[in-house]
Amino acid sequence: AQSVTQPDIHITVSEGASLELRCNYSYGATPYLFWYVQSPGQGLQLLLKYFSGDTLVQGIKGFEAEFKRSQSSFNLRKPSVHWSDAAEYFCAVGAPDSWGKLQFGSGTQVVVTP
Amino acid sequence: IAGITQAPTSQILAAGRRMTLRCTQDMRHNAMYWYRQDLGLGLRLIHYSNTAGTTGKGEVPDGYSVSRANTDDFPLTLASAVPSQTSVYFCASQSYSNTGELFFGEGSRLTVL
Repeated sequence: AQSVTQPDIHITVSEGASLELRCNYSYGATPYLFWYVQSPGQGLQLLLKYFSGDTLVQGIKGFEAEFKRSQSSFNLRKPSVHWSDAAEYFCAVGAPDSWGKLQFGSGTQVVVTP
Repeated sequence: IAGITQAPTSQILAAGRRMTLRCTQDMRHNAMYWYRQDLGLGLRLIHYSNTAGTTGKGEVPDGYSVSRANTDDFPLTLASAVPSQTSVYFCASQSYSNTGELFFGEGSRLTVL
């Protein structure tokens, strides 16, 4: 069975500083991996996804993530955060034949301070 | 373009009552999903539908039912609500294209007393 772990429940970062959110997954083969962002009172929006190929993927809003098979990780990064990046971030894993049926991590809440 | 519309936005319900959460999409997507979001647990899949006329069970289907009479609508029904069904419910849709992206509604917050 697939599973996703986001070790950090809450992260506080200063505006302009770099951000890295951790995600570890458990899956028998190469999974489909996703990062979603949820602003308060809103639904989830896709930031980026990894299906295959280049292990460094670029997403929207200046985010990127790197798939590391050896570490079963898919960490999300942004070089310089903006106040508007304050939100909850979810990592998710899906099987190649049913990627809409996602297993989500418990989320990481990001707070951005001036 | 509205995308996915969920109704109601918020509802307080007495235990034992029947409740239907509505979900409509205008993107003509094939697949639709219902997730519930609970603090510390992320989102968990309740039911899904790969295409009109078919449905399937997700990770936490007990106490819920769905139907998919047409492409656009995917209602979620709680036949007899219990307090453990207090949650935020998200409907999502997906097109069978290369992107594989899920499009989410804004959620329905349900409180069962």
